Amino acid sequence: KAGVTQTPRYLIKTRGQQVTLSCSPISGHRSVSWYQQTPGQGLQFLFEYFSETQRNKGNFPGRFSGRQFSNSRSEMNVSTLELGDSALYLCASTVSPGHIDTQYFGPGTRLTVL
Amino acid sequence: GQQVMQIPQYQHVQEGEDFTTYCNSSTTLSNIQWYKQRPGGHPVFLIQLVKSGEVKKQKRLTFQFGEAKKNSSLHITATQTTDVGTYFCAGRIAGANNLFFGTGTRLTVIP
Repeated sequence: KAGVTQTPRYLIKTRGQQVTLSCSPISGHRSVSWYQQTPGQGLQFLFEYFSETQRNKGNFPGRFSGRQFSNSRSEMNVSTLELGDSALYLCASTVSPGHIDTQYFGPGTRLTVL
Repeated sequence: GQQVMQIPQYQHVQEGEDFTTYCNSSTTLSNIQWYKQRPGGHPVFLIQLVKSGEVKKQKRLTFQFGEAKKNSSLHITATQTTDVGTYFCAGRIAGANNLFFGTGTRLTVIP
């Protein structure tokens, strides 16, 4: 089985721009979660999607949004980029949300905001 | 605020020494997971603990879940250079939907 894929792997943007990141989960996985990883804050939960619906959302401003398509692929969008948005953005897929849910992480997209 | 705390933040050990990282939550966890992230890599699932007082072993790694389900530990016996990386705990707080990741412990093994 192919793993979780994320595109692009690296991205450089300037303040004020917007960016869209993509995540393709493992085949058969219907739940996708997004995380922001920075040296200072560790792994911070952004949101989780299941069956095209946002199931849960972390404590991030409205500039961060996401969506999920019928094939379970997910995108996240960050508008009006700020320097502090520079981070590694990880997505993780699971079969379905629930009590026992191993998260399979993708390689991440490293976003640099200049 | 941070729901799941992890200590220490960094640990340097000589190869062959033991290593332990601790994870603490102020609220009861329904389960706890451990992940390892190699330098430049992404988190990889190691194990999940669900039951109070549960202990699981994977070769040189021993994982424990506290009786009150508020803390957990990962112990590595006789570290090797391949153990290098950051170890994260991730707890699911009872009643909440998402996982709360600890800040991680970065392990350096000196050969």
